[in-house]
Amino acid sequence: DAGVTQSPTHLIKTRGQQVTLRCSPKSGHDTVSWYQQALGQGPQFIFQYYEEEERQRGNFPDRFSGHQFPNYSSELNVNALLLGDSALYLCASRMGGGSTDTQYFGPGTRLTVL
Amino acid sequence: QKEVEQDPGPLSVPEGAIVSLNCTYSNSAFQYFMWYRQYSRKGPELLMYTYSSGNKEDGRFTAQVDKSSKYISLFIRDSQPSDSATYLCAMRAPPSNTGKLIFGQGTTLQVKP
Repeated sequence: DAGVTQSPTHLIKTRGQQVTLRCSPKSGHDTVSWYQQALGQGPQFIFQYYEEEERQRGNFPDRFSGHQFPNYSSELNVNALLLGDSALYLCASRMGGGSTDTQYFGPGTRLTVL
Repeated sequence: QKEVEQDPGPLSVPEGAIVSLNCTYSNSAFQYFMWYRQYSRKGPELLMYTYSSGNKEDGRFTAQVDKSSKYISLFIRDSQPSDSATYLCAMRAPPSNTGKLIFGQGTTLQVKP
């Protein structure tokens, strides 16, 4: 059973560019969350998608947007990249609705903005 | 003030030592508490999951939650070099059914052979 997968593994962009990161949830999971983890910090919640809609959003600007597809996979888009967007971007999946359901994280995409 | 505070360490112990990792939090509404382990350049891996106050044991790992003090702990017995990683505490924010996690900064642990 494949766990959460993310692509690409690494990405280098320059300031002002746009980037799209992809996530496939663990089999049987229908809810996807995205987190940003800066070096030496804990992950910070960006947003969560369930039933193809954004269900909750963290304190991130509108430059960060996302999408969930009917097969539950998800994309994270970041526009007008800033140097401060350099981080490990983590995708986590779970079964939606149940308050006791735990989240499983993918390996992350490391984004470097030059 | 951050919602979840965790001493970043680094913490260095000899093999076989008992390790204590701790987090404090400010939001009394937190009810679900987790510990994740993260190896270098990898995603976090769920170690322990606890609901409300009390203790939970799994092999060499014990998680404790004291909601009255807003304090959680993870104990690692007979620590091994393979336990060297960053340990993240995480808590589920209300409304709990959305699954949003709030993480501590992470504590880096090194277990020396």
